[in-house]
Order: sequence, then structure tokens, then C-alpha cells
Amino acid sequence: GQNIDQPTEMTATEGAIVQINCTYQTSGFNGLFWYQQHAGEAPTFLSYNVLDGLEEKGRFSSFLSRSKGYSYLLLKELQMKDSASYLCAVRVSTGGGNKLTFGTGTQLKVEL
Amino acid sequence: DAGVIQSPRHEVTEMGQEVTLRCKPISGHDYLFWYRQTMMRGLELLIYFNNNVPIDDSGMPEDRFSAKMPNASFSTLKIQPSEPRDSAVYFCASSLAWRDRGANVLTFGAGSRLTVL
Repeated sequence: GQNIDQPTEMTATEGAIVQINCTYQTSGFNGLFWYQQHAGEAPTFLSYNVLDGLEEKGRFSSFLSRSKGYSYLLLKELQMKDSASYLCAVRVSTGGGNKLTFGTGTQLKVEL
Repeated sequence: DAGVIQSPRHEVTEMGQEVTLRCKPISGHDYLFWYRQTMMRGLELLIYFNNNVPIDDSGMPEDRFSAKMPNASFSTLKIQPSEPRDSAVYFCASSLAWRDRGANVLTFGAGSRLTVL
């Protein structure tokens, strides 16, 4: 099976930078995803890493270290609308295909 | 595209009743996933299909749960009989075929919120 760990909650200030960490233990690793989920809504895709290093996309960046089983999501210039749950998800190769397993999510609260 | 369409959006039923949740994936997507989300357990994969064929149903909680995909544009998740512990938000998601190392993004439907009394 897969173990995916991320902090339950974080609080940050508008305009600041926040880093959300995710550690995982899995076999058949084939990519790591970050999704954003606002309360009462569906998860939406934010970023993807399959090789080590940093992927930058506007205010959002995601980092992966496969040897350490570690990823983080970096949010810059925080805005109130960034208050949401951030889900780390690991894709693994199985006998029949690939499947995406999610962590329980980090609830981020952005304050004034 | 209208995205992934799920129905009903909300369902309240009594213990022991049959519940059927429906999903229409994005046209052209090869993969369809059913997830369940609760506060305690987060987002759990129940089952997924590739080209209408069930690939992995190891996440289906027990025999009370069943899922079908009779064609490329329709899938159902059925719970019979339902129990209070089945109360959750059930999400359907679809994606294009997985390409090796490719970022095949899951697109989620709005979810079906089920309450079993």
C-alpha cells in the first residue's frame, strides 16, 4: 500500500509564502500531484512532478525528491482565495495500470 | 465541454435503502475513477475503469458496493443496502490514457453528497 503524510492544518498571512510538505512511502512510484480543494467543491489540479527538482507555475511551485520520498508545494504572495485544502497524491503503477492515491490534505487558512 | 457530470448532487436516504450514483465522464477520456471522501479518511479510491473495463476494485469497501460502466459515457456506483457509515461525498473523475511519465490530470465531477440516516 501507500503511506502519504502531510500536515493537517496550516495558517499563513496574506502576502506571505507558505510551504506545504508531503512525505510518501510507496512502490511503483510514477509521479506526484498536488490538487487544491475549496470547501464544498471538487479537487482541481495544481501541479505535477515525476522527476526530481522544482516545477514552477506562477505563484505555485512544487518540488520532488524521489530518493527521500518527499515533496512540497510552495505558495507565494498568498491571497485570501488560497484558503483551501491542498492534497498531495501519488501515482503508482499497478499490474493493471496506474492509480492515484491521495493524502488526507492540508487545510490552509490565509489570514489578513 | 461540460466536464464530468454527476447525479444526484445530494441524496438523503434511510438505512437499508438502495442508492445509485451516476457519472458521465468527459467525452474521449479513457479512464474513470470513483472516489469517496470523508473527514476521517480523506479521499479514497474505490474503483477505476479503463475503456469501460474495471481494472482495480480493491478499494471497494465490501460486497454492498458495486460499480458498472456499460459504455464509454456512463458509469454507476451502487450501494445496497446502504448504512449510516456510507455517508460521504462520492466523486467521479476521468482522464485521458496514462502516458508513461505524463501528467494525465484527473478531472473531478462536483460530487454526490450522500447521507444515510
